[in-house]
Amino acid sequence: KQEVTQIPAALSVPEGENLVLNCSFTDSAIYNLQWFRQDPGKGLTSLLLIQSSQREQTSGRLNASLDKSSGRSTLYIAASQPGDSATYLCAVDFGGYSTLTFGKGTMLLVSP
Amino acid sequence: DTGVSQDPRHKITKRGQNVTFRCDPISEHNRLYWYRQTLGQGPEFLTYFQNEAQLEKSRLLSDRFSAERPKGSFSTLEIQRTEQGDSAMYLCASSLLDNEKLFFGSGTQLSVL
Repeated sequence: KQEVTQIPAALSVPEGENLVLNCSFTDSAIYNLQWFRQDPGKGLTSLLLIQSSQREQTSGRLNASLDKSSGRSTLYIAASQPGDSATYLCAVDFGGYSTLTFGKGTMLLVSP
Repeated sequence: DTGVSQDPRHKITKRGQNVTFRCDPISEHNRLYWYRQTLGQGPEFLTYFQNEAQLEKSRLLSDRFSAERPKGSFSTLEIQRTEQGDSAMYLCASSLLDNEKLFFGSGTQLSVL
């Protein structure tokens, strides 16, 4: 069964810290991997998409890496801010057509 | 509005009733997806359209669920004879091409009493 696992489930940090969220997946034959942000009671916002041929993607203070051989991805957030508080979800496209398999997410709280 | 819109935002219904949700994707996007999310879980894929053709359905989509996209624009998701286990957030997403970012709507929160 193709699965996506995220650790930690929750993370609380003071403002300004750099942090890393982890995602692991069971099958290395993936099409792409996306990181999403979800605010409480809201939909998802795509942050970064890494194609299977890529090693990393960057957007502002966010950097996502992909290591297919080990079945892992990390999301690095630099200089965290209270506005970064949200749940971060990792999703893998195992079969193509963007029928994504999601992890359960990491709930991040950044305190002022 | 350039985003994905879903209607209604919230729906409360009694067990056994039928409900229908609507999704309007980003106008030029021909791929449309339905996902379901329960509390503390990541979204789970339900079904996928390319234009008006429904190309894939998850095993989660029981025969009480039906989805349509009649003209390749908006889509509806109907649940017949609702059960308490159907209570969840129903999310719609769209994309222009395969292998691209998905754009999600704000979802419809269904509560079955």
